[in-house]
Amino acid sequence: DMKVTQMPRYLIKRMGENVLLECGQDMSHETMYWYRQDPGLGLQLIYISYDVDSNSEGDIPKGYRVSRKKREHFSLILDSAKTNQTSVYFCASSLGGGTEVFFGKGTRLTVV
Amino acid sequence: AQKVTQTQTSISVVEKTTVTMDCVYETRDSSYFLFWYKQTASGEIVFLIRQDSYKKENATVGHYSLNFQKPKSSIGLIITATQIEDSAVYFCARSLDYNQGKLIFGQGTKLSIKP
Repeated sequence: DMKVTQMPRYLIKRMGENVLLECGQDMSHETMYWYRQDPGLGLQLIYISYDVDSNSEGDIPKGYRVSRKKREHFSLILDSAKTNQTSVYFCASSLGGGTEVFFGKGTRLTVV
Repeated sequence: AQKVTQTQTSISVVEKTTVTMDCVYETRDSSYFLFWYKQTASGEIVFLIRQDSYKKENATVGHYSLNFQKPKSSIGLIITATQIEDSAVYFCARSLDYNQGKLIFGQGTKLSIKP
C-alpha cells in the first residue's frame, strides 16, 4: 500500500516551544517535500530532499529546518515556534522528475 | 520566482455539465511538467493528471482532460460530466526542474457542483 504518513495529525504548541513534525513513506521514493498550506496561498514549498542528507531550501525556509537520515523518513523542525507558523503542513514524496507526487494527510499546527 | 497563477477563486456549476479551470504559469525552461491535483473536503491531496511540455497532445484521464497552450503558458483543466463528488479545490502545479521533482503550486480554485 503506497502511503505517506504524517505524525501527529494535530498539534498545539506555545510560542517559543520546539516542534517536530515527522513523515514517513513506504515507496522508497528518493525525493521528499515539506509544504505548508495557508488560505488563499496554495501550497508553499518549505524544503525539498533529494535523498539522505541531501536537502535544499524551498521558497519559504526561514524558521524551519529539516532532517533526513533515512530515505523513508523526513522530519520538519521548528526551533522556537512563532504564531505565524500556525498552518497545515503537508509532507510528500515522489520518484522525482515528472512523476506523481504523493501527499500525506497533513498536520494542523497551531502555535498559541 | 516563477509563478503559477489560478485566477478563478471559485466556480459553481450544475451536475453533469462541463467545467474548465484556468491556470497560467511563468517559465524560462523549454521542458517541464504540468500537473493538476485535487484537494477534497477532508484535506486529502491527490494527483489527477499530468502534461509533458514537449508533447503536443493534450493529456486525458477518465473525465479529466487538459487544454495545453504552450505559447500562452496556459494549462486548463476540463472536467466533463461533473459529479457531486468532484466538488473540491483544484491546484495547478509546474515542475521547476526537469529531473528532480521540485513543484510550485497555484493558489487553487474551489469547485462546487450543485445537484
